[in-house]
Amino acid sequence: QVQLQESGPGLVKPSETLSLTCSVSADSLSYHYWSWIRQPPGKRLEWIGYIFESGSTNYNPALSSRVIMSIGPSKSQFSLKLSSVTAADTAVYFCARHSGSWRYFDLWGQGTLVTVSS
Amino acid sequence: EIVLTQSPVTLSLSPGERATLSCRASQSLSGSYLAWYQQKGGQAPTLLIHDASSRATGVPDRFSGSGSGTDFTLTIARLEREDFAVYYCQHYGHSLWTFGQGTKVEIK
Repeated sequence: QVQLQESGPGLVKPSETLSLTCSVSADSLSYHYWSWIRQPPGKRLEWIGYIFESGSTNYNPALSSRVIMSIGPSKSQFSLKLSSVTAADTAVYFCARHSGSWRYFDLWGQGTLVTVSS
Repeated sequence: EIVLTQSPVTLSLSPGERATLSCRASQSLSGSYLAWYQQKGGQAPTLLIHDASSRATGVPDRFSGSGSGTDFTLTIARLEREDFAVYYCQHYGHSLWTFGQGTKVEIK
């Protein structure tokens, strides 16, 4: 059973860059799209963006000016960078695997809380 | 952007009862690209239903989905203790994935 695990700092200062990595317990990221999704306290889930094994990406227009997703550090990991963070970016961040039809998410990480505060 | 509104916010029921959860879209959903997820406290969400009515692999048949257009329903035929959780609907359309705000099913 493939598992996903998010990692990264739990506290980021305002105006700095949030950086997270998702580690996938598989040999590679092949054949699937991979997304980041977040949930601010008391609010609904928000899709941030996806990356494909080729490195191609697609971001939520509401966040696209601040988001960069990439493959690595290893071939079974992918990363999220969100720049110029504010308190509004405080959330639980999940990584997730798209299903074969890519319209849904069939596997999620446990999530990691990132707090933006000085 | 399509907005998904779930109701009720909280549903208080007893084990063995039937649960009916609603997800209403602000516009008609082409292709019925709607999914339901279950999230138990502190755990990752799990996919229950996709394409409005297809159960994901391993999901018990007490879970069923229905609907089309703007109105979709998740039904849990007979609640078991492990079903008390938060449920989210999710839509894909125009390269954007969006979620409802969730319905909490709690023990009465």
